[in-house]
Amino acid sequence: DAKTTQPPSMDCAEGRAANLPCNHSTISGNEYVYWYRQIHSQGPQYIIHGLKNNETNEMASLIITEDRKSSTLILPHATLRDTAVYYCIVRVYNQAGTALIFGKGTTLSVSS
Amino acid sequence: DAGVIQSPRHEVTEMGQEVTLRCKPISGHDYLFWYRQTMMRGLELLIYFNNNVPIDDSGMPEDRFSAKMPNASFSTLKIQPSEPRDSAVYFCASSLQGFDYGYTFGSGTRLTVV
Repeated sequence: DAKTTQPPSMDCAEGRAANLPCNHSTISGNEYVYWYRQIHSQGPQYIIHGLKNNETNEMASLIITEDRKSSTLILPHATLRDTAVYYCIVRVYNQAGTALIFGKGTTLSVSS
Repeated sequence: DAGVIQSPRHEVTEMGQEVTLRCKPISGHDYLFWYRQTMMRGLELLIYFNNNVPIDDSGMPEDRFSAKMPNASFSTLKIQPSEPRDSAVYFCASSLQGFDYGYTFGSGTRLTVV
């Protein structure tokens, strides 16, 4: 699976949009971008995934650049409860024989 | 649905003792994963199962670790004998159809080996 690069930490004011970047310059055509987050002491939580089109769900939006070498997870109105470690993972869609591998992620701190 | 259920939530044991961690996946999920998390190494995949069959155990650190899934609703991760370096939070996760629908993680078991 392609390697991802994320900033180790970011800050965001409550109520503002949080934009978390991820670089994946070696991504292959059949690899998806997945985002998970881990709130302190809890198990990771699935947020969203996409291939090349922008995606939106009730939690967040995922913007993938046209060349697919980078993406941004957007939390439109961050709250204190969004303080967590956010993981960007790229992998082949539904590939048998492999599983999600987590990197170090970005620690997002939301403050009032 | 109660989600992925892990037990115990906390376990403190002495070095050399056997430790068994338990996991009940979400009903109907056909994949089950065991991860370990430490400050130094982050989240590491240990082993995963598909339809109760182990698919990849290359992440299991050594022979002291073993995992079983006797049926679709139960899995165990056993450490025998335990060592202080095994201290970590162990997470179990399950998913449907492998990987594209998102994993659901349990709350984890915090293991301390003294």
